[in-house]
Amino acid sequence: KAGVTQTPRYLIKTRGQQVTLSCSPISGHRSVSWYQQTPGQGLQFLFEYFSETQRNKGNFPGRFSGRQFSNSRSEMNVSTLELGDSALYLCASSLDRDIQETQYFGPGTRLLVL
Amino acid sequence: QQQVKQSPQSLIVQKGGISIINCAYENTAFDYFPWYQQFPGKGPALLIAIRPDVSEKKEGRFTISFNKSAKQFSLHIMDSQPGDSATYFCAASDSWGKLQFGAGTQVVVTP
Repeated sequence: KAGVTQTPRYLIKTRGQQVTLSCSPISGHRSVSWYQQTPGQGLQFLFEYFSETQRNKGNFPGRFSGRQFSNSRSEMNVSTLELGDSALYLCASSLDRDIQETQYFGPGTRLLVL
Repeated sequence: QQQVKQSPQSLIVQKGGISIINCAYENTAFDYFPWYQQFPGKGPALLIAIRPDVSEKKEGRFTISFNKSAKQFSLHIMDSQPGDSATYFCAASDSWGKLQFGAGTQVVVTP
């Protein structure tokens, strides 16, 4: 079974631009969560989607948004990029509605904002 | 504000030794405590998890000890191997499932 895939793996953008990251969960998984990982702040929860609905949201500004499609694939968008948005963005999927089930992480998308 | 405090920040242990990582939390609504292992260039992978109704859980060389009254839990890696060199994260979540991670511990196992 293929794991969680994230595209692109690496991305360089400049301040003020916007970016869209994509996540394909493990086949059959319906919950997708997004996390931001930085050396200073560690792993921080962005949001979680289940069956195309945002179920949980972390403490990030409205510039960070996401969505989930009917096939459970998810995208996150960051508008008006800031230098501080440079990070590894991780997507995790889990099987069903109980988010406390094992979450499987993808390899991440490393975003560098110049 | 970090809801889960993890220590130490880094750890060097000899092959065959025991690695111990500690975490503490304040939110009594947390009821699920997983540990994740992350290698460079990879996403975190679930290692072992515990719920507060048990005080200890063991899987192979990895053991979680849980102290509900002290609101602390720890990971013990027995017989540490060079392949265990990685960053370890403790985490906690309530029934809503939003995982709160500790800051991470970089473990280096020397041959």
